[in-house]
Amino acid sequence: AQSVAQPEDQVNVAEGNPLTVKCTYSVSGNPYLFWYVQYPNRGLQFLLKYITGDNLVKGSYGFEAEFNKSQTSFHLKKPSALVSDSALYFCAVRPTGGGNKLTFGTGTQLKVEL
Amino acid sequence: NAGVTQTPKFQVLKTGQSMTLQCAQDMNHEYMSWYRQDPGMGLRLIHYSVGAGITDQGEVPNGYNVSRSTTEDFPLRLLSAAPSQTSVYFCASSMGLALSYEQYFGPGTRLTVT
Repeated sequence: AQSVAQPEDQVNVAEGNPLTVKCTYSVSGNPYLFWYVQYPNRGLQFLLKYITGDNLVKGSYGFEAEFNKSQTSFHLKKPSALVSDSALYFCAVRPTGGGNKLTFGTGTQLKVEL
Repeated sequence: NAGVTQTPKFQVLKTGQSMTLQCAQDMNHEYMSWYRQDPGMGLRLIHYSVGAGITDQGEVPNGYNVSRSTTEDFPLRLLSAAPSQTSVYFCASSMGLALSYEQYFGPGTRLTVT
């Protein structure tokens, strides 16, 4: 069975500092990996995805993520955090080998403070 | 495009009542799905559809029915509401059946069952 772990319920960072939101996964075979963001009282918005190729993926709003196959990780990063980045972030995985199920992590609340 | 729309935004039901959560998309997406979001549990897949007339169960299908008579609409029916179905429900769609496609989410329906 596939699974996603987001080990931190909350991440606090000062505005202007780099941020990292961690994600590790377990899946049979190769993964498709996704990051979504949820602002208060809104639906999830797609940020970026890893399909194949370059391990460093760039997405919306200056976010990027690095796929590390040996560590089965897909950490979300941003060089300089903004207060407006404060939101709930979800990592999700699908196996490339088939199946329609997209499995989400439990989410990490990012709080960026002045 | 309006994207993915959901109605109602809020609903309170008594135990045993039935209701239908509406979901529509205007992007001609083949794949549609329903998730529920509960604190500390991420998003869990209830049902999904890969096209008009085709539906299948997800991770937590019990107590819910779906149908897909058109490409645009994917309603979720609660047959006999229970307090355990208190949750936030999200509908999502994606462009095609390829597992690499990201999903577009509606704004959600917050359901309380008393």
